[in-house]
This record gives sequence, structure tokens and C-alpha cells, in this order.
Amino acid sequence: DQQVKQNSPSLSVQEGRISILNCDYTNSMFDYFLWYKKYPAEGPTFLISISSIKDKNEDGRFTVFLNKSAKHLSLHIVPSQPGDSAVYFCAASVGGSQGNLIFGKGTKLSVKP
Amino acid sequence: GAGVSQSPSNKVTEKGKDVELRCDPISGHTALYWYRQSLGQGLEFLIYFQGNSAPDKSGLPSDRFSAERTGGSVSTLTIQRTQQEDSAVYLCASSPAPIGSPLHFGNGTRLTVT
Repeated sequence: DQQVKQNSPSLSVQEGRISILNCDYTNSMFDYFLWYKKYPAEGPTFLISISSIKDKNEDGRFTVFLNKSAKHLSLHIVPSQPGDSAVYFCAASVGGSQGNLIFGKGTKLSVKP
Repeated sequence: GAGVSQSPSNKVTEKGKDVELRCDPISGHTALYWYRQSLGQGLEFLIYFQGNSAPDKSGLPSDRFSAERTGGSVSTLTIQRTQQEDSAVYLCASSPAPIGSPLHFGNGTRLTVT
């Protein structure tokens, strides 16, 4: 039973437009959420995080939105750039601890020039 | 500064053999994690170290899997009597503290069991 779900395995967006990656979770105890980005043959790299006490966190072109009632979070990238093409993983944990981060299966984003 | 280093980057082994995967975390990072990613799957948590002790081994899939960490630094993940379903990318990550600090991942070891 997946606790963190990324229902779209892939997403294609035109350069300059907005990319929206979605993530749903089932465990209401999760209180810390992160997005990681992964290029082929490399390990994931941290992108942005949000605590459950907030509903939005912004860092440059990247914004994460959290809707606790819907158990849903999303990552917005605007404007999208070809270098953003990668697999994006959503992850969640309890108590802010990363002792056992639960990851989704990832969404492959392709940004076309 | 140097990131998380994993070796080997690729390993092909025959079913039934033992393998050892190595992880060198970022210097000074006290927390170390092992994950694996099977084809088409997300990252699956295996084990977590704080210093040399492993408070959470809940993710190890079977008793064929073990891990240790010495000197609060290098960690090895050992898989005994490998099976084809063990084929995956094994990722190591470290962080300066177990809470509130993002993980820094290595590039992984791609294990193929034939």
C-alpha cells in the first residue's frame, strides 16, 4: 500500500510554461514533505521542502503547495526550462525526521525547447 | 567539497554470490541512509544510521541483507546469497542531522544479479 503516490509517471511541458507536479499521501501523520530531482545515473538532489504548519513555500522558480485537508501537495516550476527535465520525487516523513523518508515513484518531466 | 561517494558504481554478480556495497558519506554528517530503487519503483528505505548505531532497520527486506557503519563514517551494505530480485540501484545518503536536514545522495551502485 503506497503512502505517497505520484499518479503521473510523466509530464511534458513547453519551455517557458508552468510545470505542475502532483503528489498525494495517505498517512495523516506526515508533517514534513520534500521534493527531490534526479538526473539519469545520478543520485536525487534536494529541491524544496515544506512543513505541515505552512501551505506554501517558494524558492526562486520553484513553489510547493500543501493542502492538508486533501492530503495533496504540488510542485510548480515557472518558467520551465529544458534543464529542468528530470525525474521528480515527492517524499514525506513524520516528526520532521528523515530516518525513514517515504518516497513516491516519481514523475518524469520533459521540458521541450 | 566532496559529496557522498559510493563504490562500485556498477556490479554484476551471479545469483547466490555475496556482494558488498560501500558508502563514504560527507565528512561530518552523522546520519547515513541506505535506499534502493528497483526498476519503475520509487526509492525504498532500507536502513538508517545515527553515528554507528542503526535505530531503524525496518526496511531491510530479508535477513540476507545487513549493514554496518564504522567510525561514524564509512558504511557497507552486504547482501548474501543474492537473488535476481535484488537487482536495483542502491543509493546511500547522508545528512548533518536526522531531523530537518535534507538528504545528500550519492550516485548509487547499480547491482545486476544474473
